[in-house]
Amino acid sequence: DQQVKQNSPSLSVQEGRISILNCDYTNSMFDYFLWYKKYPAEGPTFLISISSIKDKNEDGRFTVFLNKSAKHLSLHIVPSQPGDSAVYFCAASKTSGTYKYIFGTGTRLKVLA
Amino acid sequence: EPEVTQTPSHQVTQMGQEVILRCVPISNHLYFYWYRQILGQKVEFLVSFYNNEISEKSEIFDDQFSVERPDGSNFTLKIRSTKLEDSAMYFCASYGFGGYGYTFGSGTRLTVV
Repeated sequence: DQQVKQNSPSLSVQEGRISILNCDYTNSMFDYFLWYKKYPAEGPTFLISISSIKDKNEDGRFTVFLNKSAKHLSLHIVPSQPGDSAVYFCAASKTSGTYKYIFGTGTRLKVLA
Repeated sequence: EPEVTQTPSHQVTQMGQEVILRCVPISNHLYFYWYRQILGQKVEFLVSFYNNEISEKSEIFDDQFSVERPDGSNFTLKIRSTKLEDSAMYFCASYGFGGYGYTFGSGTRLTVV
C-alpha cells in the first residue's frame, strides 16, 4: 500500500544547476506535505513543508510545489550544492503537525562538483 | 538548536531477547513517535504517543512492542522478544506546537542475530 511514491531512486545534478525531486501520493485525505533530508547514520532532518491550501512554499534555495489535482509535489533546489547530496524523503499527513507521516521510499541526490 | 537524543546508537541482541531503545525528546514537546527503517526501505510509522498514552499504532506495532514515558524526559520503545526481522534503524521523533515538522533523533541501529 504505497500511498506516497518517489519513483526516482536516484538523481545526479551538476553543482549550480537545479535539482528537481518528485513525489506522488494517492490518498486525497492528505493535506500536509513535508520534505526531509537524510544523511547516512543520521536521522531525517526537516527541510520544508506545504499545506494543501497553498501551491508553493519557498525557503531560501528550496521551493516545494503542490499540484493537488495531480496529487503531485516536487522539491526544487536552486542552485544545487555538493552539501545537498543526501537522501530526500517526501512525507504526507492528514493534518499538520501531530498526525503520523507516511513517507516515500526516498530519492538519493548526488550533486557533482 | 534543540535535539532529540537516542541511545544507544547501535544495539546488537540475540534473537528472543528483550531490548529497550531510549529517547530523550525535546523538552517542551508533547507528541512523541517511533519510526523504523529497514535497510534500503522506507521510513515506517510504528506508534505515536500523547498525554501518556498511545494515540495511534501501525500493524507493525504488535504485542511484542510497547512504549513508555517513565519520567518527564525519557521515551522508550521495548521489544519483548526480538526477531531477525526487527533488525532496522529505529528513529524517535517529537513534535511541539508551532513547529512545521517532527524533529527526529539520529536513530538506533538494532541488529538481531
